[in-house]
Amino acid sequence: GAVVSQHPSRVICKSGTSVKIECRSLDFQATTMFWYRQFPKQSLMLMATSNEGSKATYEQGVEKDKFLINHASLTLSTLTVTSAHPEDSSFYICSARGDSFNEKLFFGSGTQLSVL
Amino acid sequence: GNSVTQMEGPVTLSEEAFLTINCTYTATGYPSLFWYVQYPGEGLQLLLKATKADDKGSNKGFEATYRKETTSFHLEKGSVQVSDSAVYFCALRGNNQGGKLIFGQGTELSVKP
Repeated sequence: GAVVSQHPSRVICKSGTSVKIECRSLDFQATTMFWYRQFPKQSLMLMATSNEGSKATYEQGVEKDKFLINHASLTLSTLTVTSAHPEDSSFYICSARGDSFNEKLFFGSGTQLSVL
Repeated sequence: GNSVTQMEGPVTLSEEAFLTINCTYTATGYPSLFWYVQYPGEGLQLLLKATKADDKGSNKGFEATYRKETTSFHLEKGSVQVSDSAVYFCALRGNNQGGKLIFGQGTELSVKP
């Protein structure tokens, strides 16, 4: 089956720094990628949807200037958490969909971000 | 808006026990319903799905039936194995949602030998 690679799996950073998370589709072209955030014992919350070559669409309440999403190619999307604060500590998960997979979604293994 | 509620975990069972993880949803129209599984250190994987009322999704011994009258999609397995230990997520996709999924909070299952 299709594979989505997410990196890093865990990152610890100081407050005020920026962190970039990468999501790559390894064996298919990801027309659309989704970024989710998960707090402990809570649902995965959709943050934004990105289509290759266009600006991401953010869900209500998600700060687009804080969570920068780039989807410059059909195999790579990045999420940058800018000027991170402790409240940004969370588990971030990407998923990808290619048209050839009839809307089936494939998920990365997630990134645990801890901001000190 | 659309939402999914699933039973809280963790759920701890002995091998060969019967499993039920409850999932109920709120949605307009006729959503598609999914169960995803996340094994330790891995990404979410689609376990099974149902796209219309009374459909039964099944895979690897797991089953779930789309019950519109009770807005439920409970996950069941007759005899769990240690290898089924994972976190299970119920999810829905509304009509014309472009692939966007709404997830429940996940239920951790631990199966002991």
